[in-house]
Amino acid sequence: DAGVIQSPRHEVTEMGQEVTLRCKPISGHDYLFWYRQTMMRGLELLIYFNNNVPIDDSGMPEDRFSAKMPNASFSTLKIQPSEPRDSAVYFCASSPTRGQGVYEQYFGPGTRLTVT
Amino acid sequence: AQTVTQSQPEMSVQEAETVTLSCTYDTSENNYYLFWYKQPPSRQMILVIRQEAYKQQNATENRFSVNFQKAAKSFSLKISDSQLGDTAMYFCALLNAGGTSYGKLTFGQGTILTVHP
Repeated sequence: DAGVIQSPRHEVTEMGQEVTLRCKPISGHDYLFWYRQTMMRGLELLIYFNNNVPIDDSGMPEDRFSAKMPNASFSTLKIQPSEPRDSAVYFCASSPTRGQGVYEQYFGPGTRLTVT
Repeated sequence: AQTVTQSQPEMSVQEAETVTLSCTYDTSENNYYLFWYKQPPSRQMILVIRQEAYKQQNATENRFSVNFQKAAKSFSLKISDSQLGDTAMYFCALLNAGGTSYGKLTFGQGTILTVHP
């Protein structure tokens, strides 16, 4: 398996623009997680899905952030409108609930977002 | 709510020596897992080792081992024969396998480890 795939790897945008981050989890994994990493706040869980259904979005900072998982192989995290304080590395991770690696979260390479 | 605390912001070690990274946690759940993740400068998060709370035996993966003290809620990582490639940020993480936070990882603040030649 190719692992968790994220795109783009780097995104530079201007304040006020819409940003969409994409994630393809590992095939067969039931859980998908979106994290944000900054120097000030460390690793924060934003939202996670189980079988494509959002389970906990309490970490989403505000209404400008939204996430979807239309099917088992694709998820998006959207920021609209973006602000400079959204600059961070955004990680997607997936996890199985049975078999090899149960409960282990496998991370994608991350998307480094810079909002100017 | 669960918490994970790493009290050592930075550590350094000489190549080939042994280093121990500390982690304490708090949870009200009985069924949980503990992990150490490594994040090298490439920023890729890499799973190093895992420990099931119901297992008394400490987990070992090659040069990496843990000291799991359940009563004290302590979970330290020992790296033996340190290598230059071990230079990274190390995160301790807790996952509750039951209750309302099923599947959710809580991370510590991280410890930056530098291995010197």
